[in-house]
Amino acid sequence: DAKTTQPNSMESNEEEPVHLPCNHSTISGTDYIHWYRQLPSQGPEYVIHGLTSNVNNRMASLAIAEDRKSSTLILHRATLRDAAVYYCILSTNSGYALNFGKGTSLLVTP
Amino acid sequence: NAGVMQNPRHLVRRRGQEARLRCSPMKGHSHVYWYRQLPEEGLKFMVYLQKENIIDESGMPKERFSAEFPKEGPSILRIQQVVRGDSAAYFCASSPLQDWMNTEAFFGQGTRLTVV
Repeated sequence: DAKTTQPNSMESNEEEPVHLPCNHSTISGTDYIHWYRQLPSQGPEYVIHGLTSNVNNRMASLAIAEDRKSSTLILHRATLRDAAVYYCILSTNSGYALNFGKGTSLLVTP
Repeated sequence: NAGVMQNPRHLVRRRGQEARLRCSPMKGHSHVYWYRQLPEEGLKFMVYLQKENIIDESGMPKERFSAEFPKEGPSILRIQQVVRGDSAAYFCASSPLQDWMNTEAFFGQGTRLTVV
């Protein structure tokens, strides 16, 4: 199964942009790239997903490398409420599971 | 439109008792997924159900665990004869489409099971 690699933790200042990287070098052509986040004591929350082209929504932007072996989640202006664990996940046609790894713990400081 | 509802939010059971976790998907969603999260770990897939059908239970332990999603009512995750290692947060998610790879999943707030 295609796996993802993310840094364990990152830190950002409030109101600054945040770039959260994800490597997925074994991604296959039909795998979608999903991002979810989990605030403390909450269930995961969908952030964004894409296949090949960059994607934008009200929460974030997703930049996908041309070879699709990596992607970056961009939070344009971090707020204290964005402090969470961010998971980069590939949805594959080998099963129905979203395989959550350890994710990146984002700390936002005032 | 209410989100995914899970109850109870917290459940304490003694070793050997049964635990029943309930999940009501979002209105109009017919696909339900159950995940388990151990302390300091990521979520692990357990089972995927559609109405009256178990589609994929590859992540669910073979013994003591069962899941159902009846025609009427919530989805139920049942754990028989609980042990301390079953203590975890159990999350339910639902989605509206069968094209699950290209859609978002909506998660509930979870049930935190503590076995004493």
